[in-house]
Amino acid sequence: QKEVEQNSGPLSVPEGAIASLNCTYSDRVSQSFFWYRQYSGKSPELIMSIYSNGDKEDGRFTAQLNKASQYVSLLIRDSQPSDSATYLCAVRPNTGNQFYFGTGTSLTVIP
Amino acid sequence: DGGITQSPKYLFRKEGQNVTLSCEQNLNHDAMYWYRQDPGQGLRLIYYSQIVNDFQKGDIAEGYSVSREKKESFPLTVTSAQKNPTAFYLCASKGPRHGLGWHEQFFGPGTRLTVL
Repeated sequence: QKEVEQNSGPLSVPEGAIASLNCTYSDRVSQSFFWYRQYSGKSPELIMSIYSNGDKEDGRFTAQLNKASQYVSLLIRDSQPSDSATYLCAVRPNTGNQFYFGTGTSLTVIP
Repeated sequence: DGGITQSPKYLFRKEGQNVTLSCEQNLNHDAMYWYRQDPGQGLRLIYYSQIVNDFQKGDIAEGYSVSREKKESFPLTVTSAQKNPTAFYLCASKGPRHGLGWHEQFFGPGTRLTVL
């Protein structure tokens, strides 16, 4: 069983701060890593994907991957109230087409 | 405008009834998926299909059935054998964004099923 672990939170940060979301995974051969944002009552929306070690930046979002430590994180700079949502981490192994999801971290940005 | 559509948005089922949830995509993606999400929980895979006329069971396939007769369509039937079907059902497809690059998974808007 491939496991993806996230701290369920809730995580609260003040507006303008950096929010840091973490995810660990058990399968060492995982290749692709994804962060989804899910607003209450809505479907998940892909916000970041990362495939190699290091940092990947897209606007206010930075994904960080460390395959040796089996760790992927998402940083949200200058957090806004509109960032308040649940963030899902997903992992896809080298083989097969399945994706494995964590249970999500709830983020609240306080104005 | 490319995307994934699911219908209906809300569905109410009486006990003992079978219901079918629709999922259509015009992204030209080969792989399609059905997930179930319960309150406060992650996504659990019901079925997935890598290609037309082929599909595999996921972690919680009991009480569900699917078909994949066309690349664009992957309907899910929730049968009366599914004992606790009330949940949020999400359809997804996997492929390159805008036809380029790595394969990523994208979700439809979901169907919320309630058993009365």
